[in-house]
Amino acid sequence: KQEVTQIPAALSVPEGENLVLNCSFTDSAIYNLQWFRQDPGKGLTSLLLIQSSQREQTSGRLNASLDKSSGRSTLYIAASQPGDSATYLCAVPYLNTGGFKTIFGAGTRLFVKA
Amino acid sequence: DVKVTQSSRYLVKRTGEKVFLECVQDMDHENMFWYRQDPGLGLRLIYFSYDVKMKEKGDIPEGYSVSREKKERFSLILESASTNQTSMYLCASSTRGILAGLRTDTQYFGPGTRLTVL
Repeated sequence: KQEVTQIPAALSVPEGENLVLNCSFTDSAIYNLQWFRQDPGKGLTSLLLIQSSQREQTSGRLNASLDKSSGRSTLYIAASQPGDSATYLCAVPYLNTGGFKTIFGAGTRLFVKA
Repeated sequence: DVKVTQSSRYLVKRTGEKVFLECVQDMDHENMFWYRQDPGLGLRLIYFSYDVKMKEKGDIPEGYSVSREKKERFSLILESASTNQTSMYLCASSTRGILAGLRTDTQYFGPGTRLTVL
């Protein structure tokens, strides 16, 4: 059974710092991995989707990497800003009867201090 | 842009009431999902649907039912609301797409409904 873990659960950094969020999964036979952002009391916003054949994806100051063999993905945020403060979740789909379900990590709560 | 909307942002109901949460997506996605999110437990899948009138139980379907009569709309029903169903409910949709031989399945989420059952 696929399990997704995110470490750390919370992270506080000063503005301008580069940081890495970690996501690990137990079953390396994944189709893709998705990173989301969630602001307090809001829904999830998709940030990056990495296909299983890809090693990384970039969007602006965000870079997500994927290492299937070790069951890990990282989300790198460059030059962090207070507006980056949110919870970041990673998710992987797995095949179930009728289609794909998605397993989410518990998230990393990021605080960027001005 | 994909848009997923949910009928209410905040909802307060009493124990035993029947509750309907509506979700609508405008991108002709095949798949739709209902999750609940609770502190310390993360996102948990309640039900999902991969086509009109099709539904599959997720990880925690007890106490819930769903309806998908039209492709764009996926409803979550609490037959008799209980206090332990107080939670944030999130709807999502995804396209069952294949791109260059790979599944895409990017999920798009609605803003969520904060349900309180008294």
